[in-house]
Amino acid sequence: AQSVTQPDIHITVSEGASLELRCNYSYGATPYLFWYVQSPGQGLQLLLKYFSGDTLVQGIKGFEAEFKRSQSSFNLRKPSVHWSDAAEYFCAVGASWVTGGGNKLTFGTGTQLKVEL
Amino acid sequence: DTGVSQNPRHKITKRGQNVTFRCDPISEHNRLYWYRQTLGQGPEFLTYFQNEAQLEKSRLLSDRFSAERPKGSFSTLEIQRTEQGDSAMYLCASSGVLNKTGENQPQHFGDGTRLSIL
Repeated sequence: AQSVTQPDIHITVSEGASLELRCNYSYGATPYLFWYVQSPGQGLQLLLKYFSGDTLVQGIKGFEAEFKRSQSSFNLRKPSVHWSDAAEYFCAVGASWVTGGGNKLTFGTGTQLKVEL
Repeated sequence: DTGVSQNPRHKITKRGQNVTFRCDPISEHNRLYWYRQTLGQGPEFLTYFQNEAQLEKSRLLSDRFSAERPKGSFSTLEIQRTEQGDSAMYLCASSGVLNKTGENQPQHFGDGTRLSIL
């Protein structure tokens, strides 16, 4: 069964500092990996995705993530955090190559990011 | 692209009542998903439709839950005889068809319906 671990429940960074949010996954085949962001009372917004190709993927809002198969990781990074980045971040895994099937996502428990001014 | 729309945004009801939520997916998307999110947790998969066919259901979806997607457009999720444990955010997502290389398209989420059981 597929699973996602986000080891950090809460992270606090100063505005302008760099950020790295950790994500480890378990999946038996080639994974389809995502990072979503959720503001309070809102749905999830897709930041970026990885399914093949270059292991460093760029997303919206200046975020990037690196897929490391050997470490089963897909960590999210941003070189300089803005106060508006404060939110909850979810890593998710799904099937990338599915014939005739769906793509249900399995999410981690999330990392709450607080930005200090 | 008007996004995924969910109604109502909030629902408060007494234990034992029935509730129904509606999801309108992005118009060209043929796949529709329901997830449930409780406080402090990530979303958990409930069920999935491709067009009007319900292709997969999680064991989280007890017999009190039923989902439909008539004509492959909007979807409804009904919970009968609600219980305290049903209190959660119910999220709907939709996605397009497989791309040219057979890969699943990313899911786009609505803002959810928050259910509170008194």
